Amino acid sequence: DQQVKQNSPSLSVQEGRISILNCDYTNSMFDYFLWYKKYPAEGPTFLISISSIKDKNEDGRFTVFLNKSAKHLSLHIVPSQPGDSAVYFCAASEGRGAQKLVFGQGTRLTINP
Amino acid sequence: DAGITQSPRHKVTETGTPVTLRCHQTENHRYMYWYRQDPGHGLRLIHYSYGVKDTDKGEVSDGYSVSRSKTEDFLLTLESATSSQTSVYFCAIRGTAVATEAFFGQGTRLTVV
Repeated sequence: DQQVKQNSPSLSVQEGRISILNCDYTNSMFDYFLWYKKYPAEGPTFLISISSIKDKNEDGRFTVFLNKSAKHLSLHIVPSQPGDSAVYFCAASEGRGAQKLVFGQGTRLTINP
Repeated sequence: DAGITQSPRHKVTETGTPVTLRCHQTENHRYMYWYRQDPGHGLRLIHYSYGVKDTDKGEVSDGYSVSRSKTEDFLLTLESATSSQTSVYFCAIRGTAVATEAFFGQGTRLTVV
């Protein structure tokens, strides 16, 4: 039962253009969402997050959008840079109880010069 | 950087032998997680802990056990390692606030031959 899904295993974008990574979830009890970035041979690092009380959160070149009715979130990177090439994971948690943190399968983003 | 250390970083073991991976934190965070990363599957939750001696199963807990006798240490044990448990294992820690990210260790690459 995959509660968090990233249906695109890979994405290739030209440098300077917008990268859009998508994530869907099935558990309506999720109320906090995060994006992580992972380089090879390193642990994932936190990128940006959003609470379910918001529909948008921005941090520099990174913006996360949340559509609760569709149970969908997306990460926009503008403009894309070569250093953005990495695997991106979305994650979700319920803000109560044991706070299980569930991740998607990841999307490998490649930025082409 | 968050104070989280995984040991060992690399291990090769034989099928049928027991293996224990250690996660140590210096942040006094309540929540600790063990994930495994495999191609095509992303980060899958094995077990997590929400306090000393309080643990729960994740989505791929079969063949694994955990223990948390102190706040700072979370141990993952493979009672009898199998080749299907060859993977990269990540530990993560997280504070108690709802809107907080998880910090990951550098990972342990385990090969079962």
